[in-house]
Amino acid sequence: QSALTQPASVSGSPGQSITISCTGTSSDVGGYNYVSWYQQHPGKTPKLMIYEVSNRPSGVSNRFSGSKSGNTASLTISGLQAEDEADYYCSSYTPSTTLFGGGTKLTVL
Amino acid sequence: QVQLVQSGADVKHLGASVKVSCKASRYTFTGYYMHWVRQAPGQGLEWMGRINPHSGGTNYAQKFQGRVTMSRVTSISTAYMDLSRLTSDDTAVYYCARDLGNNWSFDYWGQGTLVTVSS
Repeated sequence: QSALTQPASVSGSPGQSITISCTGTSSDVGGYNYVSWYQQHPGKTPKLMIYEVSNRPSGVSNRFSGSKSGNTASLTISGLQAEDEADYYCSSYTPSTTLFGGGTKLTVL
Repeated sequence: QVQLVQSGADVKHLGASVKVSCKASRYTFTGYYMHWVRQAPGQGLEWMGRINPHSGGTNYAQKFQGRVTMSRVTSISTAYMDLSRLTSDDTAVYYCARDLGNNWSFDYWGQGTLVTVSS
């Protein structure tokens, strides 16, 4: 199975909103509500930001939100801050594996 | 605060095996699946498999079937990942990660173990 498709990079200015897409198939993203999003700063471990498509773990800012339409999931970050600059990965359950996206580098201008 | 502490960096020769440990603390080890994810230098995340610490049952990504073995010792709250027949493509940081609630999302991660495979 192929990795999920994410844009290689996105950028935005402080205070703006950005959306990162994650496209799969009906066998993964579209078929299950087990989509997660992770933030990873350089040299650091990944941090769970969204689980089950749209749920935020305790302690994650409500500026982060998740959604899904068909085979595409999305992560939206509102009110961009400098500390949001990082790599973001989506993941999806499938019956045989967990797929990750290739990652998106977010640059805060 | 949940902690996952992994074993230190390792250097292996081509064809060798490596065993990475992940010691869990401050939660009930047998109550949560443990997954293993790796990240090659400058690359993305790759799921390797998971273990049910309660039963010992495992699920492996097809790519690693026959080469990976995940195990645990419940008395010391430690999970292990053993990868054999190493190639240069196996050079990566290996992470253990706790499953939030059997929903295939990973809420706590180990600090990572760099495994370097050299000739």
